[in-house]
Amino acid sequence: AQSVSQHNHHVILSEAASLELGCNYSYGGTVNLFWYVQYPGQHLQLLLKYFSGDPLVKGIKGFEAEFIKSKFSFNLRKPSVQWSDTAEYFCAVNARTNAGKSTFGDGTTLTVKP
Amino acid sequence: NAGVTQTPKFQVLKTGQSMTLQCAQDMNHEYMSWYRQDPGMGLRLIHYSVGAGITDQGEVPNGYNVSRSTTEDFPLRLLSAAPSQTSVYFCASSSPTGSGNTIYFGEGSWLTVV
Repeated sequence: AQSVSQHNHHVILSEAASLELGCNYSYGGTVNLFWYVQYPGQHLQLLLKYFSGDPLVKGIKGFEAEFIKSKFSFNLRKPSVQWSDTAEYFCAVNARTNAGKSTFGDGTTLTVKP
Repeated sequence: NAGVTQTPKFQVLKTGQSMTLQCAQDMNHEYMSWYRQDPGMGLRLIHYSVGAGITDQGEVPNGYNVSRSTTEDFPLRLLSAAPSQTSVYFCASSSPTGSGNTIYFGEGSWLTVV
């Protein structure tokens, strides 16, 4: 069975600080990886995704993530956060052989202080 | 395109009552899922479907039923509501082609069981 672990439950940063949110997954086969963001009171939206190719993936709003297969990791990064990045962030995985079943991590709440 | 549409947005039930959360998507996606979101627990998969007539259990299926008679619709039925089912429910859809298995979410249904 696949699983996702997000290391940080709550991160507090000041504007312009750099961000890295950890995500590790557990699955023995080939996977698709995602980061989603949920702004207060809204539904989840896709930030970025990795299926194949370049392990460094760039998404919307200046976010990027790096897939490190040997570490089963897919960490999310942003060089300089803004107050508007305050939200909850979810890492997700599904198996290529069963892409209809996606598993999400518990989420990381990011608070950016102005 | 309306995307993924869920109804109702808010519902209060009494313990023991039954109800159905409706979900429809107009993107011709093969995959559809139901998740529940609880504080500190991320999104947990209830049931999912990889096509019309095919459904399977997720992590937390007990107390819920689903069916997929058409590609567009994937209703979630609570058979006998319990306070533990108080949660926010999200319907989602995706396709392995076109959008590259990006998961699209509905806006959520807030359910309170008293």
